[in-house]
Amino acid sequence: AQRVTQPEKLLSVFKGAPVELKCNYSYSGSPELFWYVQYSRQRLQLLLRHISRESIKGFTADLNKGETSFHLKKPFAQEEDSAMYYCALSFQGGSEKLVFGKGTKLTVNP
Amino acid sequence: DAGVIQSPRHEVTEMGQEVTLRCKPISGHNSLFWYRQTMMRGLELLIYFNNNVPIDDSGMPEDRFSAKMPNASFSTLKIQPSEPRDSAVYFCASSPTGQGYTGELFFGEGSRLTVL
Repeated sequence: AQRVTQPEKLLSVFKGAPVELKCNYSYSGSPELFWYVQYSRQRLQLLLRHISRESIKGFTADLNKGETSFHLKKPFAQEEDSAMYYCALSFQGGSEKLVFGKGTKLTVNP
Repeated sequence: DAGVIQSPRHEVTEMGQEVTLRCKPISGHNSLFWYRQTMMRGLELLIYFNNNVPIDDSGMPEDRFSAKMPNASFSTLKIQPSEPRDSAVYFCASSPTGQGYTGELFFGEGSRLTVL
């Protein structure tokens, strides 16, 4: 079955420190991976997608098919990065159905 | 566009009562999704529609849950009878499909349901 695992429910770092939010998936085909973010009192929104190979708000994520991972990284965390982060998988090649991980709550301390 | 609109934002009800959650997708989006968010299980897909037709309802927990999409601009998620374990935040999301599809879902603000 298709599954997305985010092993850390909570992650706390200090401002300026590097941050990595882990995401592993299980799917035998060619997945499309996404990171969504939910800031306090805001809607869940797309942060980035692996096919775009983009950097958004300093965050990057590389799809590692060998390790079936899609970890989200930022070299220098900011307080405004504090939010709930969800990794998501689209596995039907063009289907809009997304399976989400359980999320990681990131807190960036001053 | 105001984005995906959900109502009510908050609902407190007693066990056994019927609950109806409503969603208006973004105009022009032809896919609509209902998700449930809890601390324990995260975001779970309940059901999704494409062009008003239910495509996958495998996430609907049981017969107490039902969803409809009578037209392109409105959907409901109904729980009857409600139980305390249904307490969660219910999100509606929409997206364009076909050539417009990028993998991005546009979420509403959610409906927080508390069943006492």
